[in-house]
Formats: sequence, C-alpha cells, structure tokens
Amino acid sequence: GAVVSQHPSWVICKSGTSVKIECRSLDFQATTMFWYRQFPKQSLMLMATSNEGSKATYEQGVEKDKFLINHASLTLSTLTVTSAHPEDSSFYICSARVAVSALYGYTFGSGTRLTVV
Amino acid sequence: AQKVTQAQTEISVVEKEDVTLDCVYETRDTTYYLFWYKQPPSGELVFLIRRNSFDEQNEISGRYSWNFQKSTSSFNFTITASQVVDSAVYFCALVLPYNNNDMRFGAGTRLTVKP
Repeated sequence: GAVVSQHPSWVICKSGTSVKIECRSLDFQATTMFWYRQFPKQSLMLMATSNEGSKATYEQGVEKDKFLINHASLTLSTLTVTSAHPEDSSFYICSARVAVSALYGYTFGSGTRLTVV
Repeated sequence: AQKVTQAQTEISVVEKEDVTLDCVYETRDTTYYLFWYKQPPSGELVFLIRRNSFDEQNEISGRYSWNFQKSTSSFNFTITASQVVDSAVYFCALVLPYNNNDMRFGAGTRLTVKP
C-alpha cells in the first residue's frame, strides 16, 4: 500500500534554532501533502496544504513565515519550524492523498515529536 | 464548511464489554467521505474505515462495526467484546472532495479498556 515515510520520529532542539521535518511518499506520487499539528491530548489540527510546485496554503492562525513548507517534488515535502520556541513543542504529522480522488484515501506519516528546550 | 463532533472525550470500559464511539458531522456538501482512525500511544494513525456519502450500508469487520445514518449525520463506531489492545484515541474525520479536499478531524475519544 501507499506509504509516507516521515523523519525524524522525534527531535529535541534548543530555543531559537530551526528544525526540518521530511515526508517522503515511497511508492506513489503525492501531488498534495497536508501538515497537521497535535498538542498533547488534543486533536489533529490542519496547519497547511501543500501542492507540488506551488506555494502552500496555510490555515488561519498559522504563521507561514514560521512554518515553512516546501513541496518541490512529487515525493518530498518538508516542514521547517524556524526559530523554534517551547510553545512549538508538539506532534507534527504529514498526510498525503493517495490519488486525485479522496475516495482512495489518505496515508499518514508516523509523526514527529518536537520538543523545544 | 465542515465540522466533526465527538462528544465523548473519554470512555472507560472493562474488557469484553461492547462500546460505541459517537461521531456527528456537519456539512452542506452532498458528496463527502467519512473516516475513522485509531491512534495508539505511539502516535501513529491507523486507518480503520472510509465511507462515502452515497453508501449508507453499515459495515462489520471482525469486532468492529460502523453505523452510518445520514438522517442524523452520524457515523458511529462500535467495538464488540472490547480488548485491552483496543485502548487508544479514536478519531472521526471528514473530507469534502469538491471543496477544500482536506481531512478535518473530530476532537477524538480516548478509550481505555481495563482488564
């Protein structure tokens, strides 16, 4: 089945530094990738939608200059948390639609647990 | 444009009990897809089921069953004879393919199955 590989699984960084999270579609082309953030004991909140070769669309309240999304190829999308602060500590998950139609489902990465100290 | 409500924040049952997780959705679109995911402590999302708005047929998969009722905008999930391994957070989600096409999740229900 369609697999999205997400790395790293966890990362600890110092406040003020930047962290890059990668999501790769291993056996299909991910035209669209979704990025979610999940705080402890909360739901997954959509941060942004990225389409290959174009700028990402951010949800209201998400700082696009802080959460840089790059989707330069059909198999790779990256999320960079710039100048990370402790409040950015969260679980980040990417998701890709397996085909053009949502009927074929979505596949999720395994998530990245970010801790900013 | 879309909203998913999972009113049950936490549920605790004893092993072998049946348990139903509620999901109510809101949308004006006539075409939509509903999903259920399981999230164990590891954090990874495990796909359980996908249902499109034109298919109201209920589904059973082993101990899992789903009841889709468009009249009440509900897509409830029942686990029969629950087991400790069923302990996890369960999310209901909605996709509008002719709108934003992204997946929106409910708040989730944390299920604890005690031995």
